[in-house]
Amino acid sequence: ETGVTQTPRHLVMGMTNKKSLKCEQHLGHNAMYWYKQSAKKPLELMFVYNFKEQTENNSVPSRFSPECPNSSHLFLHLHTLQPEDSALYLCASSQDPGEPYNEQFFGPGTRLTVL
Amino acid sequence: DQQVKQNSPSLSVQEGRISILNCDYTNSMFDYFLWYKKYPAEGPTFLISISSIKDKNEDGRFTVSLNKSAKHLSLHIVPSQPGDSAVYFCAARGGGSEKLVFGKGTKLTVNP
Repeated sequence: ETGVTQTPRHLVMGMTNKKSLKCEQHLGHNAMYWYKQSAKKPLELMFVYNFKEQTENNSVPSRFSPECPNSSHLFLHLHTLQPEDSALYLCASSQDPGEPYNEQFFGPGTRLTVL
Repeated sequence: DQQVKQNSPSLSVQEGRISILNCDYTNSMFDYFLWYKKYPAEGPTFLISISSIKDKNEDGRFTVSLNKSAKHLSLHIVPSQPGDSAVYFCAARGGGSEKLVFGKGTKLTVNP
């Protein structure tokens, strides 16, 4: 595997379910990100992890719970979601979050539908 | 309030011609700008970037131009190819933040 991978690629869940999204980066990067892309809206940053520590929570509801066990893996735990949470969830990584000109590499995303 | 705006949701050009994608921003603290390209069912991929100390950056068929006074940047693709058909996102960061702020994207279609 190369780059940034995400599983599952598609997920349909009910509002009472608990599920998790997984992201893995094979680039040796130190920072990982979760983004949400809703229809007709820009990508919205949700969480940032630098060296496994959460450094940003962009006012995300508590029904979204991130976990970063190491610099290569990032999870997004989902529980009691709402239909409006249906969106494309993208994971990204970057080499050095302190470096001003470092780019972020994205995974293919998980298309989430909440019924 | 959107800090990064891509006012054209779509653009259609003929193969071989120039594609010009535009992006405006409102935050004067932004000092680094990126363009990403996204194909369906894939994540965005980095295309080209520019820092605020420059006004132009070229990479093959792609040129990004920055007009700081107008808070405007553009992406030129020349010559355009059908494989360039994708959604293009403009993004910006600055003020010491690692947070990237994205525009809504412009869907480019290059017709053979």
